[in-house]
Amino acid sequence: QKEVEQNSGPLSVPEGAIASLNCTYSDRGSQSFFWYRQYSGKSPELIMFIYSNGDKEDGRFTAQLNKASQYVSLLIRDSQPSDSATYLCAVNEYGGSQGNLIFGKGTKLSVKP
Amino acid sequence: DAGVTQSPTHLIKTRGQQVTLRCSPKSGHDTVSWYQQALGQGPQFIFQYYEEEERQRGNFPDRFSGHQFPNYSSELNVNALLLGDSALYLCASTRGLNTGELFFGEGSRLTVL
Repeated sequence: QKEVEQNSGPLSVPEGAIASLNCTYSDRGSQSFFWYRQYSGKSPELIMFIYSNGDKEDGRFTAQLNKASQYVSLLIRDSQPSDSATYLCAVNEYGGSQGNLIFGKGTKLSVKP
Repeated sequence: DAGVTQSPTHLIKTRGQQVTLRCSPKSGHDTVSWYQQALGQGPQFIFQYYEEEERQRGNFPDRFSGHQFPNYSSELNVNALLLGDSALYLCASTRGLNTGELFFGEGSRLTVL
């Protein structure tokens, strides 16, 4: 059973701090990794994707990938209350199309003013 | 530019009934995937349609079936509804099969009584 594991949280950080969200995956053949943000009562929204080992930065967001450790993380710098949401880690299923993603249960982030 | 649209937004059915959910992809997109999201869980892949054919299928029974039309819109049908089918059903669209960068609709919330 291919799995994506995330701490459910809630993860609470003060405004302006760095939020660190972590994810591990079981399928060593996975090639593509995604972070989606889901506000309460809304649908998921893609915020970052990463395909190669290392770091990828986009504004206040940094995705980190370590394929040897089967570990993906998302750092949010200068956290804002508007970042409060559930963050879903997703991994493509090896051998499947890229649209066949395996999602974790999500980590709920709360940024306190 | 219209995003992914889904209908209906909410519906209530009883056990044993059948339901049809509809999705129009984002303009320029030709691939539609369907996901089921139970409360407190991440989305689970149901199936993906491209060129009017089912290309990938997740671990869902045959009660779940779908269709894609020439204009790329799609339907999800669920027969013989069970209480456990109560969930948010998300449609996601992309351009082509080779990307996990999904654009989600707002979903159809199904309640089975």
